[in-house]
Amino acid sequence: GQNIDQPTEMTATEGAIVQINCTYQTSGFNGLFWYQQHAGEAPTFLSYNVLDGLEEKGRFSSFLSRSKGYSYLLLKELQMKDSASYLCAVRGWGTGGFKTIFGAGTRLFVKA
Amino acid sequence: KAGVTQTPRYLIKTRGQQVTLSCSPISGHRSVSWYQQTPGQGLQFLFEYFSETQRNKGNFPGRFSGRQFSNSRSEMNVSTLELGDSALYLCASSSEETQYFGPGTRLLVL
Repeated sequence: GQNIDQPTEMTATEGAIVQINCTYQTSGFNGLFWYQQHAGEAPTFLSYNVLDGLEEKGRFSSFLSRSKGYSYLLLKELQMKDSASYLCAVRGWGTGGFKTIFGAGTRLFVKA
Repeated sequence: KAGVTQTPRYLIKTRGQQVTLSCSPISGHRSVSWYQQTPGQGLQFLFEYFSETQRNKGNFPGRFSGRQFSNSRSEMNVSTLELGDSALYLCASSSEETQYFGPGTRLLVL
């Protein structure tokens, strides 16, 4: 089956850097995604990793190690608007085909 | 390009009723997935449709069903509603691996 673990909550200071970790187990790995979700809103796509290494996109970077079943999302120069839940999701092979499974999310609080 | 749209945005039903939710994917996307999101359970996968066929399904009872039309629009139906079905129902469309979510339908069952 598929399983995803990520911390429940994190707190960081405006202007700082925060790293949100995600570990996963899946068969037939086909990609790892990070989404941002503000309270009461739908998740929005942040990043996609399918090969090992770091993908950088502005203030956000995502890292993947397939051999370790590990990823992290790095947020730099934190802003108050970055306070949100960050969802780690893995696409893997399930009964009937590929499916994307989401972790429970990490709620990030950015304080002044 | 317009994003994923879902209707209705909000819905109140009573136990035992049934409900149908609609999702229109991004133009050109053929895959539509449905998720249920509750505070305690997070995002739970319901099912995925591709070219009018259910390609995968999660661990939900048979009261939850869906379908996809030839224009890729999708509907999901929940019959005999229970209080525990109160949730945000999200639809996501994709052309390859990445999913893009609609705003969701917030269902309250009384």
